[in-house]
Amino acid sequence: AQSVTQPDIHITVSEGASLELRCNYSYGATPYLFWYVQSPGQGLQLLLKYFSGDTLVQGIKGFEAEFKRSQSSFNLRKPSVHWSDAAEYFCAVASGGYQKVTFGTGTKLQVIP
Amino acid sequence: DVKVTQSSRYLVKRTGEKVFLECVQDMDHENMFWYRQDPGLGLRLIYFSYDVKMKEKGDIPEGYSVSREKKERFSLILESASTNQTSMYLCASSETGTGFYEQYFGPGTRLTVT
Repeated sequence: AQSVTQPDIHITVSEGASLELRCNYSYGATPYLFWYVQSPGQGLQLLLKYFSGDTLVQGIKGFEAEFKRSQSSFNLRKPSVHWSDAAEYFCAVASGGYQKVTFGTGTKLQVIP
Repeated sequence: DVKVTQSSRYLVKRTGEKVFLECVQDMDHENMFWYRQDPGLGLRLIYFSYDVKMKEKGDIPEGYSVSREKKERFSLILESASTNQTSMYLCASSETGTGFYEQYFGPGTRLTVT
């Protein structure tokens, strides 16, 4: 069965600093990977996805993620964080059949001035 | 824009009550999902449906049932609510086909069972 690990529960960064959120997955075949963001009191919004091809994928709001098969990782990055990026971020992997997706436990990002 | 709406943002129910959570999507998606979200546990799949009247159990179906009578509507039912079902409930929908498609989420229903 597939699984997703987000080792950091909380991360605090200063506004303008760079950000990297870690995600490791476990899945036998080529994975379909996603990053979602959840602002306080809201549902989840897709930031970016990886299905195949270029291992560096660009998403919305200036985010990018790099797929590294050798490390089973799909880390999310942003070069300069804005206060509005404070939210919870979820990494997810899609399994076979019926469009099922397994989510990680989330990383809560706090941005300080 | 895809829109997924949920009938209530906040709901307070008593132990033993029957609870209905409604979800409607407007993009003619085949797949619909119900998750619960708890701190430190992320999102866990309760049930999903890949067609009208079709349903499959997710990872934590105990204590829940679902209904999908129309393509756009997917209901989650708590037959007899218990305090351990206090949680945030998220509905999502997606297309189907070759490959995987992103899930579109509703705003969530925060259910409190007292």
